[in-house]
Amino acid sequence: EAQVTQNPRYLITVTGKKLTVTCSQNMNHEYMSWYRQDPGLGLRQIYYSMNVEVTDKGDVPEGYKVSRKEKRNFPLILESPSPNQTSLYFCASSGYRRNTGELFFGEGSRLTVL
Amino acid sequence: DAKTTQPPSMDCAEGRAANLPCNHSTISGNEYVYWYRQIHSQGPQYIIHGLKNNETNEMASLIITEDRKSSTLILPHATLRDTAVYYCIRRLGDKIIFGKGTRLHILP
Repeated sequence: EAQVTQNPRYLITVTGKKLTVTCSQNMNHEYMSWYRQDPGLGLRQIYYSMNVEVTDKGDVPEGYKVSRKEKRNFPLILESPSPNQTSLYFCASSGYRRNTGELFFGEGSRLTVL
Repeated sequence: DAKTTQPPSMDCAEGRAANLPCNHSTISGNEYVYWYRQIHSQGPQYIIHGLKNNETNEMASLIITEDRKSSTLILPHATLRDTAVYYCIRRLGDKIIFGKGTRLHILP
């Protein structure tokens, strides 16, 4: 089954404790992206990647890092989480044909930073 | 500006057609218009996309104006399960920007 898998789905952590949210897709997609969703603000793009070893900033990259060492994985790293990073996070992927290709989303990871 | 403009909320009676508008007046010639929906806090789900011509699939129809400055998503026979937030987006290269969407309420 084609899917995008995120882990963990739920996490409560404390300020400053490094954490990683993993994202994996089994569709051989070139394009992957991370979004955060906050009440009243919709989905905002954090980082995206067009292919292995190629990453770019989205609209709200501050406080986050990503890596794309393998095509299927695109982890989101919070080196020193802060309470304003409490949010619902979504990973997405699509095949890369410029301006086309639907996004497939994961089920989301709800992160709380105390 | 890669944003789109949508009404924040709409109501539709069950069984009727739901018509959701989207304004994308600054869209460029090679940008597609995509529609997604999000039910509760699940991951957004792809509905349909188009460039110039009207499109139809098993879920919905997409009507794009001739000047491409706006579009309308049509759910032909809305059901309670169509209650969701609907997002109209433009794919500007690889930076895909979502707005706040339209919260569609289906009324029984």
